[in-house]
Amino acid sequence: SAVISQKPSRDICQRGTSLTIQCQVDSQVTMMFWYRQQPGQSLTLIATANQGSEATYESGFVIDKFPISRPNLTFSTLTVSNMSPEDSSIYLCSVEALTGDSAFFGQGTRLTVV
Amino acid sequence: SQQGEEDPQALSIQEGENATMNCSYKTSINNLQWYRQNSGRGLVHLILIRSNEREKHSGRLRVTLDTSKKSSSLLITASRAADTASYFCATSETSGSRLTFGEGTQLTVNP
Repeated sequence: SAVISQKPSRDICQRGTSLTIQCQVDSQVTMMFWYRQQPGQSLTLIATANQGSEATYESGFVIDKFPISRPNLTFSTLTVSNMSPEDSSIYLCSVEALTGDSAFFGQGTRLTVV
Repeated sequence: SQQGEEDPQALSIQEGENATMNCSYKTSINNLQWYRQNSGRGLVHLILIRSNEREKHSGRLRVTLDTSKKSSSLLITASRAADTASYFCATSETSGSRLTFGEGTQLTVNP
């Protein structure tokens, strides 16, 4: 199994500012994903973080709002830019298991925008 | 948009009883997985069932898959208070962990 460290675990931010969330994995992984979970809702995939190239974004998510970096096979960041209260959510980093099927998740970052 | 629906949205039972949660999905899949989430934290993988499997067991968990009805069920037997959590099904259209999640069931097991 992979151990994923996600920081910060929670934050309260002012609208209009940006927050960068870090995801560190204890082993090299090919696939890393970022999900959003709005209050009381399920998880929605934001993007796939690709090492050495631009992230692949899902419909409804754009790079200007959610820039992602993936400098190596163990680390990724997600930035939530120009935040508004609607961005208040839990953001989760996920990596692919070695079997290539299931996924491991970080503990999430609980973001509140005021 | 979300792939599937889960029912019930919320389930409250007594310790020792069985809990059954259902999940439906819309497209063809490679596999279906169930995850557990405690108090809005990270998700924990519980069990995976492939599209060519009909039933799978893991400890007190039993998962069924009916690809003709595009549905799955998760049964937790002899529930415990510690089973209280949100349970999500997630589908993968190809081998790989890009997942589409259902809406989730909030399970409360009363001591």
